[in-house]
Amino acid sequence: SQQGEEDPQALSIQEGENATMNCSYKTSINNLQWYRQNSGRGLVHLILIRSNEREKHSGRLRVTLDTSKKSSSLLITASRAADTASYFCATVGAGGGADGLTFGKGTHLIIQP
Amino acid sequence: KAGVTQTPRYLIKTRGQQVTLSCSPISGHRSVSWYQQTPGQGLQFLFEYFSETQRNKGNFPGRFSGRQFSNSRSEMNVSTLELGDSALYLCASSTTGSSFGSGTRLTVV
Repeated sequence: SQQGEEDPQALSIQEGENATMNCSYKTSINNLQWYRQNSGRGLVHLILIRSNEREKHSGRLRVTLDTSKKSSSLLITASRAADTASYFCATVGAGGGADGLTFGKGTHLIIQP
Repeated sequence: KAGVTQTPRYLIKTRGQQVTLSCSPISGHRSVSWYQQTPGQGLQFLFEYFSETQRNKGNFPGRFSGRQFSNSRSEMNVSTLELGDSALYLCASSTTGSSFGSGTRLTVV
């Protein structure tokens, strides 16, 4: 069963704007990761944030984690057409990953040129 | 460093047949995990292998099995294929974050 729920399911914005995606999860986690998938291809690991971290940056990406609300957000700044993809959050349980990565259903992001 | 390699890329099989998919992890990675992705159920964990041993298993029927070889390459096998097994099967090798292959798209007709 899915651990996380991404919100929104789909998002369409203009190139240059910022895109924010949210993820909620249900159980205690060791870490939370964000992945990108282009057109049903493989997943690309974007960023990992541990349960004791609150914010992390990588280039144009900013991830926040609120363990009290069991939620995370991914912000992509200054979006580009190449950012068009599906974005998934995935959690590793506090037990250390006995269930592998548990994925949400993803947010489909479309960047309009 | 070569990434995670999955073969074949595409596969069409008939109901009742069996299929074997292959995954070569990044050199030096000893953990290999398999996931199934479908439009309805999303990405679901199948199993994880580490040093030739199945370490974790998801909630899939026994028709889904796997193994890992001494060179860390892994195979997964699905027997008695059903239409619902049509999916993108993804393999990942990992240290901290997981590196995924491009997947094998299996269509069962």
